[in-house]
Amino acid sequence: EVQLVESGGGLVQPGGSLRLSCAASGFTFSDHYMDWVRQAPGKGLEWVGRSTNRVYSYTTEYAASVKGRFTISRDDSKNSLFLQLNSLKTEDTAVYYCARGGSPANYYYPMDVWGQGTTVTVSS
Amino acid sequence: DIQMTQSPSTLSASVGDRVTITCRASQSIHSWLAWYQQKPGKAPKLLIYKASSLESGVPSRFSGSGSGTEFTLTINSLQPDDFATYYCQHYNNYPLTFGGGTKVEIK
Repeated sequence: EVQLVESGGGLVQPGGSLRLSCAASGFTFSDHYMDWVRQAPGKGLEWVGRSTNRVYSYTTEYAASVKGRFTISRDDSKNSLFLQLNSLKTEDTAVYYCARGGSPANYYYPMDVWGQGTTVTVSS
Repeated sequence: DIQMTQSPSTLSASVGDRVTITCRASQSIHSWLAWYQQKPGKAPKLLIYKASSLESGVPSRFSGSGSGTEFTLTINSLQPDDFATYYCQHYNNYPLTFGGGTKVEIK
């Protein structure tokens, strides 16, 4: 079964840091682009950023709202994706989802597999 | 950045109705558009990719159309399981962006 499972969410004070993880199974993780998407309470979906794959040198792209504060990385040997959140603000409070993107079979493909999400709350 | 605008933001409909949701892009995204369904407390589910291609396992009552800047999601014969929030999203370039969502409610 194709699956993504996020972990690492929690309560953190403004200015603090947190590291989220996403464990993948059931597919060839190393082939795929991987994304992070978040959803603030009662709000819509916001793309956070992407990691490409080895073919594209694991380049990363970020939304302007998180660029310079968040860092995406991955460990293909452990089928894992990570999101390092630094300098957190109250407006970063959200459910964070990891999602599977395109692969060499079709790079122009949207996010077709999503995890269940992990909740990050930034509050003093 | 490409802005995605969905309308309406809320839609009231009955079981059996035909429902249409519109998504407009602030510039051409060719056909690089996806539609997702989200239910409360759940992750989004991919319905449509490349504007009009039905994702595997998605019922055929869902269909998408459009290209360039104007897109629609149509649900033929709305079923009880279809009451949810729907989002469009472009993947033409970075940053990827979502529409604001359309909540389909029971009339």
